[in-house]
Amino acid sequence: GENVEQHPSTLSVQEGDSAVIKCTYSDSASNYFPWYKQELGKGPQLIIDIRSNVGEKKDQRIAVTLNKTAKHFSLHITETQPEDSAVYFCAASPRAIGNEKLTFGTGTRLTIIP
Amino acid sequence: SQTIHQWPATLVQPVGSPLSLECTVEGTSNPNLYWYRQAAGRGLQLLFYSVGIGQISSEVPQNLSASRPQDRQFILSSKKLLLSDSGFYLCAWSVFRTWGEAGELFFGEGSRLTVL
Repeated sequence: GENVEQHPSTLSVQEGDSAVIKCTYSDSASNYFPWYKQELGKGPQLIIDIRSNVGEKKDQRIAVTLNKTAKHFSLHITETQPEDSAVYFCAASPRAIGNEKLTFGTGTRLTIIP
Repeated sequence: SQTIHQWPATLVQPVGSPLSLECTVEGTSNPNLYWYRQAAGRGLQLLFYSVGIGQISSEVPQNLSASRPQDRQFILSSKKLLLSDSGFYLCAWSVFRTWGEAGELFFGEGSRLTVL
């Protein structure tokens, strides 16, 4: 089955700086790569996703890059703000009925220092 | 708009007692439904998923079971809780696509279960 590794497990950055979280996956059949943000005491929420037919996707201060050859993808947050503090999860899935084959990373706790 | 409700939010139960966590989705029809467990430092583990009423698939052997008595209702149960069942349980739904494709998961607020 798929194995997703996520690094770092914790990350602290100064407000206004950039944050980068990296994930690797093992199954070359994976073609869907979402990123979820989980605030304290809440369920995760999708912030951005990418499919294997593109190498990069951007949404305002958030961007995701995908390297299919190396089997890794990254989340980039620019101009970080205090509200970016949360736990971030990457995930990967091959083609499936729905999300039953979605494998999550172990999460990165991002802290923005004012 | 679609919403997902999950309850109870917190639960403290003795070992050997039964469990029932409920989840309902509003504003959509025939959703795919999921139960996840979140343990510290281990990400999100899929426990059960359902693509229709009465259709339940289990991803890991465990002390838990799931049922889908109605299209938008998903229930997580146990007859006798173990200490190891403690954790944060999340219900989620996704849009059913006839062509089959992973897509956005919409999570509930979660239920924190402590087994003593």
